[in-house]
Amino acid sequence: AQSVTQLGSHVSVSEGALVLLRCNYSSSVPPYLFWYVQYPNQGLQLLLKYTTGATLVKGINGFEAEFKKSETSFHLTKPSAHMSDAAEYFCAVSDLNTDKLIFGTGTRLQVFP
Amino acid sequence: GAGVSQSPSNKVTEKGKDVELRCDPISGHTALYWYRQRLGQGLEFLIYFQGNSAPDKSGLPSDRFSAERTGESVSTLTIQRTQQEDSAVYLCASSLLQGNTIYFGEGSWLTVV
Repeated sequence: AQSVTQLGSHVSVSEGALVLLRCNYSSSVPPYLFWYVQYPNQGLQLLLKYTTGATLVKGINGFEAEFKKSETSFHLTKPSAHMSDAAEYFCAVSDLNTDKLIFGTGTRLQVFP
Repeated sequence: GAGVSQSPSNKVTEKGKDVELRCDPISGHTALYWYRQRLGQGLEFLIYFQGNSAPDKSGLPSDRFSAERTGESVSTLTIQRTQQEDSAVYLCASSLLQGNTIYFGEGSWLTVV
């Protein structure tokens, strides 16, 4: 069965600092991997996704993630945090055999001035 | 409409009453999902519909929960004899094809008192 683990339920960074949100997955077949963001009092929106091809994926708002099969990871990064990045971030996995998207428990990102 | 539409956006109900939540997916999307998000927690998969295939009900927490979908259109999630632990945001999402982006609605906030 597929699963997703997000290390760190809360991450705090200073404005301008590197953002690193960790995600590890478990899947018996090649995975499809997603990062979603949920801003306060808003719905979820897609940041980026990996299905096939290039393992470094660029998304909206300057975020990117790299699929590393050997580490079963899909960590989300942004070189320089902005105050507007404060939100809840969810990593999710599905695969070719199922459309069911399994989510991690989320990481709340706080950005301090 | 342009996005996934859910109604009601907010519902307060008394313990023991039945509630119905509605989801209108994006037109043409064959896949429809229901998730539950309890306060401060991640997304919990409930049920998944794909075209004419039998729905994946593996996430429904009890027999008080059921969902239906008419063809490739509207879906309703029904919770019978509501309990306080059912209080959560119920999120509906839809997608076009396997591996494609899943689009979420704004959610239905359910409070059981």
